[in-house]
Amino acid sequence: EIVLTQSPDTLSLSPGERATLSCRASQSVSSYLAWYQQKPGQAPRLLIYDASNRATGIPARFSGSGSGTDFTLTISSLEPEDFAMYYCQQRSNWPLTFGGGTKVEIK
Amino acid sequence: EVQLVESGGGLVQPGRSLRLSCAASGFAFDDYAMHWVRQVPGKGPEWVSAISWSSAGIGYADSVKGRFTISRDNAKNSLYLQMNSLRTEDTALYYCAKGIRGSPDAFDIWGQGTMVTVSS
Repeated sequence: EIVLTQSPDTLSLSPGERATLSCRASQSVSSYLAWYQQKPGQAPRLLIYDASNRATGIPARFSGSGSGTDFTLTISSLEPEDFAMYYCQQRSNWPLTFGGGTKVEIK
Repeated sequence: EVQLVESGGGLVQPGRSLRLSCAASGFAFDDYAMHWVRQVPGKGPEWVSAISWSSAGIGYADSVKGRFTISRDNAKNSLYLQMNSLRTEDTALYYCAKGIRGSPDAFDIWGQGTMVTVSS
């Protein structure tokens, strides 16, 4: 099973700041990595798939990069609605696995 | 509107069974892989099972293999999860999720979830 480790656990930032979230895989997942946003009481929402492809309707301030074992989700300028939990997920091998999450909170 | 609506959750005793359903609408259901993903409140999501558009490809997490069975009825635009020999650790919110064309194991549409509580 591929283990995904996200860092940091919590990111405390102000609106307008840049957020950089990391996801590291225990073995190569090529580019088969997705990022999701989840707010309390809601289902996860797909942001990025296959490392760098924005999902339909996702604003351009969200971008993804990386390949192999190291990936980054960048939010270029935080909007109030971006404060939430973020999870990475790999689809390289079954079982599909998720990271433990990064909480982006208002500083 | 693209929509997934789960049903069938509830309170069940350990060792008993439950069948979850997911009704899909607003897209060509028989074109896409479908998944079940569960989440314990306050924890991260956990993938449970997947089924290809044709049902030819099926996979399970080790934690449910041999106890859960995924199936679909493309004529009814419906996805199912038969859960047998339930354990307390199966307690979670169960989501059905749709795969993406070309990236079938990434999930672009999620339902609202149905809660399963396994307790005596």
